[in-house]
Amino acid sequence: EIVLTQSPATLSLSPGERATLSCRASQSVGDYLAWYQQKPGQAPRLLIYDASNRASGIPARFSGSGSGTDFTLTISSLEPEDFAVYYCQQRSNWPLTFGGGTKVEIK
Amino acid sequence: EVQLLESGGGLVQPGGSLRLSCVTSGFTFSTYAMSWVRQAPGKGLEWVSSITATGGTTYYADSVKGRVTISRDNSKNTLYLQTNSLRVEDTAIYFCAKEKQRNFDYWGQGTLVTVSS
Repeated sequence: EIVLTQSPATLSLSPGERATLSCRASQSVGDYLAWYQQKPGQAPRLLIYDASNRASGIPARFSGSGSGTDFTLTISSLEPEDFAVYYCQQRSNWPLTFGGGTKVEIK
Repeated sequence: EVQLLESGGGLVQPGGSLRLSCVTSGFTFSTYAMSWVRQAPGKGLEWVSSITATGGTTYYADSVKGRVTISRDNSKNTLYLQTNSLRVEDTAIYFCAKEKQRNFDYWGQGTLVTVSS
């Protein structure tokens, strides 16, 4: 099983600041990594797939990068609605696995 | 508009069973793989099971293998998860999700399964 480790667990930032979230895989997943956003009481929403492709309707302030074992989700300038929990997920191997999540909270 | 609506959750005793359903609309159900993903209270996301578009191949997490069965009825645009021998640790919100190349591009709002005596 591929283990995804997200860091930091919590990121405290102010609106307008840049957020950089990390996801590290226990073995190479190629480009087969996605990012999701989840707000309290809501279902997750797909943000990024295949490491760097924005899903439909996702604002350009969200970007993804990386390949192999190290990936980054960047939010260029935080909007109030961006404070949420973010998960990475790999589709390279079964079982599909998620990271433990990074909470982006208001400082 | 793509919609997924789960039902069938509830309170069940350890060892009990539940059948979860996910009724879908807004896309051609029979051409997409589908999955179940769960989230224990206050915890992260855990993939549970997937099924191919035709239903011919299924996949399961080790944590549920042998206790759950995923299935689909393409004539009814509906996904199912039969859960048996439920354990306290199966307590979670169960989401159904539409797959796009093993990414989850649409999600339902989830149905809560509580396993407790």
